[in-house]
Amino acid sequence: DTAVSQTPKYLVTQMGNDKSIKCEQNLGHDTMYWYKQDSKKFLKIMFSYNNKELIINETVPNRFSPKSPDKAHLNLHINSLELGDSAVYFCASSPRTGSNTEAFFGQGTRLTVV
Amino acid sequence: AQSVTQLDSQVPVFEEAPVELRCNYSSSVSVYLFWYVQYPNQGLQLLLKYLSGSTLVKGINGFEAEFNKSQTSFHLRKPSVHISDTAEYFCAVSRETSGSRLTFGEGTQLTVNP
Repeated sequence: DTAVSQTPKYLVTQMGNDKSIKCEQNLGHDTMYWYKQDSKKFLKIMFSYNNKELIINETVPNRFSPKSPDKAHLNLHINSLELGDSAVYFCASSPRTGSNTEAFFGQGTRLTVV
Repeated sequence: AQSVTQLDSQVPVFEEAPVELRCNYSSSVSVYLFWYVQYPNQGLQLLLKYLSGSTLVKGINGFEAEFNKSQTSFHLRKPSVHISDTAEYFCAVSRETSGSRLTFGEGTQLTVNP
């Protein structure tokens, strides 16, 4: 039973395309996140949702739009993909918004833009 | 804003040797501290966390870390490593005032050789 699952695991696409990455958690958590890991393995938060409400929106291009249909799902849609978007995208969830709660991560989606 | 510095990008050790992975943080407010491990092509898994109380924290797989407030450090240690400990290790902090947003260090690649 995968706690935080992302699909697809690998995504290769051409510049200019629009793509989506899906994330689902079955832990009953209230808060979900998207993190980006670049080629140097540096991890940075992109978005955070709490009960379907956006609470963190880092300086991310408008081409990135998260959508949370319910608190168990947080999808990431990317428009007009660019070469620099190539990275591993991790979805995560935590029981609540408090800073003393750990985050549970998915396996990651490796996005390659060619 | 807070920041995290992992002082070693790569740490090679021999099997059964002790290891210390160093982490320093900077923050003007109280923080919570975490160590995550990332095995190849996997997501991040929590090793241990410091929220309050005893400064020596024990985690999974025989790892432990010590919070040192005066030195703003949270170094990770293991007395005897195994080949299976080969992975990327990330130190992370969250602030009381930032919700559950994690700020990560740049990671330390631990390679255990036979």
